[in-house]
Amino acid sequence: AQSVSQHNHHVILSEAASLELGCNYSYGGTVNLFWYVQYPGQHLQLLLKYFSGDPLVKGIKGFEAEFIKSKFSFNLRKPSVQWSDTAEYFCAVRDGNKLVFGAGTILRVKS
Amino acid sequence: DTGVSQDPRHKITKRGQNVTFRCDPISEHNRLYWYRQTLGQGPEFLTYFQNEAQLEKSRLLSDRFSAERPKGSFSTLEIQRTEQGDSAMYLCASSFGVVQYFGAGTRLSVL
Repeated sequence: AQSVSQHNHHVILSEAASLELGCNYSYGGTVNLFWYVQYPGQHLQLLLKYFSGDPLVKGIKGFEAEFIKSKFSFNLRKPSVQWSDTAEYFCAVRDGNKLVFGAGTILRVKS
Repeated sequence: DTGVSQDPRHKITKRGQNVTFRCDPISEHNRLYWYRQTLGQGPEFLTYFQNEAQLEKSRLLSDRFSAERPKGSFSTLEIQRTEQGDSAMYLCASSFGVVQYFGAGTRLSVL
């Protein structure tokens, strides 16, 4: 079964700083990968997804992620964060019918 | 709002009581999922329905847990004889394809 590892549980950044959140999944083959975001008090929302093709995926709100098959990684990036990006970010991989999530990274952006 | 709807949003119960949660998926979605999320963890898969058929159950879903989707629309998750370890956020998601859309969840507190 798949497992997902997110490297940082808490990240604190100042506004305009660049963001990179690490995500590794356990084994290869064809993978469907996702980043979800949960803003305070809100439900999980899809940021972006990778199914196939261009390994650099662009999502909403200026986020992007790069799929590196050789490293089993799908890291999330944003060149310049805003205070409104304060949220919890979850990486997930599809495993059959279900999603397997990482433990999440709480991002706090200081204004 | 035509997203995934869950009711109630919060439930406080005493140990040993039974509780039932409801999920209304996005109307055209034939697939429905239940997940559980505890503090500091990502969502963990519980069970999956395609239309009214329950096709997959996690080992996390003990005998005290039962889920139904009688007409292939809304779903209920019942927990019998609740235990303090059942305290968690219970999330419902729905999909037509691979991408799952999540509700806001039901937070269960077992005293």
